[in-house]
Amino acid sequence: DAGITQSPRYKITETGRQVTLMCHQTWSHSYMFWYRQDLGHGLRLIYYSAAADITDKGEVPDGYVVSRSKTENFPLTLESATRSQTSVYFCASRKTATNTGELFFGEGSRLTVL
Amino acid sequence: GENVEQHPSTLSVQEGDSAVIKCTYSDSASNYFPWYKQELGKRPQLIIDIRSNVGEKKDQRIAVTLNKTAKHFSLHITETQPEDSAVYFCAASIGYSSASKIIFGSGTRLSIRP
Repeated sequence: DAGITQSPRYKITETGRQVTLMCHQTWSHSYMFWYRQDLGHGLRLIYYSAAADITDKGEVPDGYVVSRSKTENFPLTLESATRSQTSVYFCASRKTATNTGELFFGEGSRLTVL
Repeated sequence: GENVEQHPSTLSVQEGDSAVIKCTYSDSASNYFPWYKQELGKRPQLIIDIRSNVGEKKDQRIAVTLNKTAKHFSLHITETQPEDSAVYFCAASIGYSSASKIIFGSGTRLSIRP
């Protein structure tokens, strides 16, 4: 059981380039989330999705785009990367339809924008 | 929107002593409050959670208390051990079904001194 996996785990890119971080889960969880983790800010929600083709903005959505054409995949795209987007990105999924229930996190993707 | 504040940002305690981390939330409609632990270089994992209809919950050496009137909740770790060293995040959740999301505090780095 692979669970929830992210790729790439490490990425270095340059300002202005497009970058896509992939997230794949094998549990068929309805809910998926993208967070970024920065020192002093904890985990900040970028986007979340309740099901395929349903997405919504979180706390810090500017500069990011998501899609959810299939339940198991939730890619995050930085259309034109900026240095302020250097961060560790975590994807997470949740089984329950209500707001309670455990979030299962991926291993994280460390992105550096030069 | 929902906001969660967490204090302190760093905490150092002697092994065997207790540690307390406090959080406040802004939206009175929040009804679910999980705590996550993140060890160095690893993904966050749920350690305990509490729902708004409960005032306190215990699981061995950890406990969480909730004061809905004051809109704050706390994590208590007793008889601390070296393996308790980690970053701890509180979170608050609001909403049901497609509107559901979880907002995290900024984290507390707990160090246990031998």
